[in-house]
Amino acid sequence: KQEVTQIPAALSVPEGENLVLNCSFTDSAIYNLQWFRQDPGKGLTSLLLIQSSQREQTSGRLNASLDKSSGRSTLYIAASQPGDSATYLCAVPSSSNTGKLIFGQGTTLQVKP
Amino acid sequence: DVKVTQSSRYLVKRTGEKVFLECVQDMDHENMFWYRQDPGLGLRLIYFSYDVKMKEKGDIPEGYSVSREKKERFSLILESASTNQTSMYLCASSSPGSGANVLTFGAGSRLTVL
Repeated sequence: KQEVTQIPAALSVPEGENLVLNCSFTDSAIYNLQWFRQDPGKGLTSLLLIQSSQREQTSGRLNASLDKSSGRSTLYIAASQPGDSATYLCAVPSSSNTGKLIFGQGTTLQVKP
Repeated sequence: DVKVTQSSRYLVKRTGEKVFLECVQDMDHENMFWYRQDPGLGLRLIYFSYDVKMKEKGDIPEGYSVSREKKERFSLILESASTNQTSMYLCASSSPGSGANVLTFGAGSRLTVL
């Protein structure tokens, strides 16, 4: 059974730092992997989706990488800002293209001014 | 701008009450999902639907039912609310095929059962 783990559970950094969030999954036969952002008390917003055939995806200051063989993905945030403070979750499909996602528990990021 | 709207942001109910959580999407998506989110447990899939009148159980369907009478609306029903159903409930939708895993989420409904 697929399991998704995110470490650390919480992270606090000063503004301007580059940082890396980690996501690991137990079954490497994934269809794709997504990173989401969740602000306190709100729903989830999709940030990046990496297909299984891709190694990385970039959107602005965000870069997500995928290493299927090792069961790992990282989300790199460059030049962090207080507005980046949120919980970041990664998710993989339970099977192919179904929309049924298995989520990690998230990393709560605080960027201090 | 695409939207998934959950009608109630905050609800407080008593044990044994029947609870309806409504979700409406305006994107003409076939797929709709209900997740619940709890500290330490993350998001877990309750029910999903790939078409009108169709529903399938997710990982934790016990104590819940759903209704999909119209394509745009997916309702989650707690027949007899219990305190262990206190949680944040998130509705999501997606299109079929290659876009199935690109979920658009609603803002969430935080339910407290006393």
